[in-house]
Amino acid sequence: EDQVTQSPEALRLQEGESSSLNCSYTVSGLRGLFWYRQDPGKGPEFLFTLYSAGEEKEKERLKATLTKKESFLHITAPKPEDSATYLCAVQAGGNNDMRFGAGTRLTVKP
Amino acid sequence: NAGVTQTPKFQVLKTGQSMTLQCAQDMNHEYMSWYRQDPGMGLRLIHYSVGAGITDQGEVPNGYNVSRSTTEDFPLRLLSAAPSQTSVYFCASRINPADTGELFFGEGSRLTVL
Repeated sequence: EDQVTQSPEALRLQEGESSSLNCSYTVSGLRGLFWYRQDPGKGPEFLFTLYSAGEEKEKERLKATLTKKESFLHITAPKPEDSATYLCAVQAGGNNDMRFGAGTRLTVKP
Repeated sequence: NAGVTQTPKFQVLKTGQSMTLQCAQDMNHEYMSWYRQDPGMGLRLIHYSVGAGITDQGEVPNGYNVSRSTTEDFPLRLLSAAPSQTSVYFCASRINPADTGELFFGEGSRLTVL
């Protein structure tokens, strides 16, 4: 069965303090790994899709990387507006649906 | 530019009552799905549809029914609500079933079953 584990569950940073969020996955035949951002009371918003080990994608202060077993979401010099829950999901094998991790709740203090 | 629209945003039910959560998308997406989100458990797939007239079960389908009579609409029916169905429900769509592109989510429907 496909499994996605995110760590840590919660992360508190000072503004400007860079860090990384981890997403470990166990799937058969990865087709895509996705990162989403979710603000309180809202639906998830798409950030990135990664397809193969070694791939990297960037958007503003966020950079996502992928290996054969895990993905990292690196946050460089975060700002308070980066506070949100970050979700990781995988699509694998013949499945059309995505399996989500439980998320990492990020708080950035000014 | 509506995207995925869910109604209602909030609902309180008594145990045993039935109701329908509505989901509509205006992007002509073939693939639509329903997730529930519970604290510490992430999003779990309830049911999905790969096109009008075609639906299938996800990870947690018990207690829920779906149908897809049009491309735009994908309602989720709770047949006899139970407290365990207290959750936040999200509808999501994608342009086609086999695509690995992004899922577009609605704003969510928060359901409380007393």
